[in-house]
Amino acid sequence: DIQMTQSPASLSASLGETVTIECRASEDIYNGLAWYQQKPGKSPQLLIYNANNLHTGVPSRFSGSGSGTQFSLKINSLQSEDVASYFCQQCYDYPPTFGGGTKLELK
Amino acid sequence: EVQLVESGGGLVQPGRSLKLSCVASGFTFNNYWMTWIRQAPGKGLEWVASITNTGGTTYYPDSVKGRFTISRDNAKSTLYLQMNSLRSEDTATYYCTRGPITTVETEWYFDFWGPGTMVTVSS
Repeated sequence: DIQMTQSPASLSASLGETVTIECRASEDIYNGLAWYQQKPGKSPQLLIYNANNLHTGVPSRFSGSGSGTQFSLKINSLQSEDVASYFCQQCYDYPPTFGGGTKLELK
Repeated sequence: EVQLVESGGGLVQPGRSLKLSCVASGFTFNNYWMTWIRQAPGKGLEWVASITNTGGTTYYPDSVKGRFTISRDNAKSTLYLQMNSLRSEDTATYYCTRGPITTVETEWYFDFWGPGTMVTVSS
């Protein structure tokens, strides 16, 4: 199975700041990466698929980049509603596997 | 609007069984593969089971293979997860999700999630 490693595990940032979360795959997954946002007490929601495609309704301050084994999620101009945990997931190959998550808090 | 609503969770003793349901609406259910994903308290996400749109093929990780069975009733737009021989490590919130997405290829991401149903396995 493909292993997914996220960093950092937790992150504290200020309103209006730009935040970047990294995700590394144990082997080449081309552009097969998805990002999910999970707000406290809620279910995960798809943000980005195929590395850089925004899911319907996701604000444009979110963006994804990368290919191969290295990927990143960037949040521009951090808003209070962005406080959440973020998970990456390789969607290139079966079985699907998730990163351990990044918890984003406000400073 | 796509909606997925799970039910059937609860407290169950180790070794017993439980069946989860997920009612779907807002899309043509029989056009989509469906998946169960779980999250242990305070932990990450784990894929549990997937089923093709016709129900003809199912997929499981080794951790649940032989104990869990995913199925669907397309006439009722409902997805199921039969869980047998439950263990304490099965304690988690179980999410019903739409996906993987099958257009040209099978892309293993999940575009809509239900709110989840909690399963606690304890004596």
